[in-house]
Amino acid sequence: KNQVEQSPQSLIILEGKNCTLQCNYTVSPFSNLRWYKQDTGRGPVSLTIMTFSENTKSNGRYTATLDADTKQSSLHITASQLSDSASYICVVSEWGGYNKLIFGAGTRLAVHP
Amino acid sequence: EAQVTQNPRYLITVTGKKLTVTCSQNMNHEYMSWYRQDPGLGLRQIYYSMNVEVTDKGDVPEGYKVSRKEKRNFPLILESPSPNQTSLYFCASSASDRGSYEQYFGPGTRLTVT
Repeated sequence: KNQVEQSPQSLIILEGKNCTLQCNYTVSPFSNLRWYKQDTGRGPVSLTIMTFSENTKSNGRYTATLDADTKQSSLHITASQLSDSASYICVVSEWGGYNKLIFGAGTRLAVHP
Repeated sequence: EAQVTQNPRYLITVTGKKLTVTCSQNMNHEYMSWYRQDPGLGLRQIYYSMNVEVTDKGDVPEGYKVSRKEKRNFPLILESPSPNQTSLYFCASSASDRGSYEQYFGPGTRLTVT
């Protein structure tokens, strides 16, 4: 069964610190992997999209990595800010008749002053 | 401004009273879909549409209907809502379902069925 699992479920860090969120997937065949940021009460907003051939992609203070061999991805947040408090969702796209998206449950990040 | 809009944003209703949640996008996107989000679970797809008059079931279609008469609109219909449909609903659109096309999400509709 195609699944996307994220860890940790929740995380609390102090402002200015770095953190890394993990995503493991069993989706096959693989098309691409996306990381979204979802603020409370809002729709998800894309941070990065990576295809099979990409192993790292950055968007400002966000850096995503992808290891397609081990089916793992991580999202690293540098110098965290209070506005980084949100849920971060890993989404893997299954290659097929149409590009089905499989969502992880998310990691809820709280950045404290 | 490119966006996906949903209405209403919040809705409280009673079991069995038909309701419609509207979704509209101004990006001329072909692909649109509806998701529900429940605590502890990832977003789950309810229905999707590849283009006008082309719709298909997602992972959790039971109790829902959709229509795509115009490219910009993709309403979600609950003919007889039940309490287990209490959830946060998101509409999304993208230029295509293929490749790495960006998917844009609406702001969400929080539905409570009593």
